[in-house]
Amino acid sequence: ETGVTQSPTHLIKTRGQQVTLRCSSQSGHNTVSWYQQALGQGPQFIFQYYREEENGRGNFPPRFSGLQFPNYSSELNVNALELDDSALYLCASSSGGGYYGYTFGSGTRLTVV
Amino acid sequence: AQTVTQSQPEMSVQEAETVTLSCTYDTSESDYYLFWYKQPPSRQMILVIRQEAYKQQNATENRFSVNFQKAAKSFSLKISDSQLGDAAMYFCAYISGGTYKYIFGTGTRLKVLA
Repeated sequence: ETGVTQSPTHLIKTRGQQVTLRCSSQSGHNTVSWYQQALGQGPQFIFQYYREEENGRGNFPPRFSGLQFPNYSSELNVNALELDDSALYLCASSSGGGYYGYTFGSGTRLTVV
Repeated sequence: AQTVTQSQPEMSVQEAETVTLSCTYDTSESDYYLFWYKQPPSRQMILVIRQEAYKQQNATENRFSVNFQKAAKSFSLKISDSQLGDAAMYFCAYISGGTYKYIFGTGTRLKVLA
């Protein structure tokens, strides 16, 4: 098992720019979820992909979008970056739903200036 | 709406001692799952222990055990024989059956004193 890997580990962007974060899910996992963790807070659910389709979304605006590829890797795209988008973005994978637990990556720390 | 509350921002424990972290939740669902995750400075969330709501027996994983009080909507984590490597942020999380998202608490920072 290779676990969940995310890239890049750190990123600095300017307000208004666009960013793409990447995630390789654990071998055998077909479900990927993305979470935003602001400093000092618990993670907040952004959305989930199952077999390349978005099948759940949290309270995030449409400028947060994603993709899942046939190999179950995933991307999180954020357009028109705002200062409040500065956070740790965590990717988590599982086989099916998260009822048995997710395998998380180490996250991408995004700073918007 | 479901909520998860961790009322202890920070806890300290002496090495080899026992500590209990608190978590309460609010839900009207009957089918749900509860978790404790550990987040060390490496940032990766690591599953510590899992509890299914319909199981009355408290989950145990080695030095980690939970006290699941369904009627009180309480889900505390007990760490026995604390080790320096246990120092981390601990998050309580909830997911209801048929949904896709975890709801996390705000976390408890655990310090282990040598």
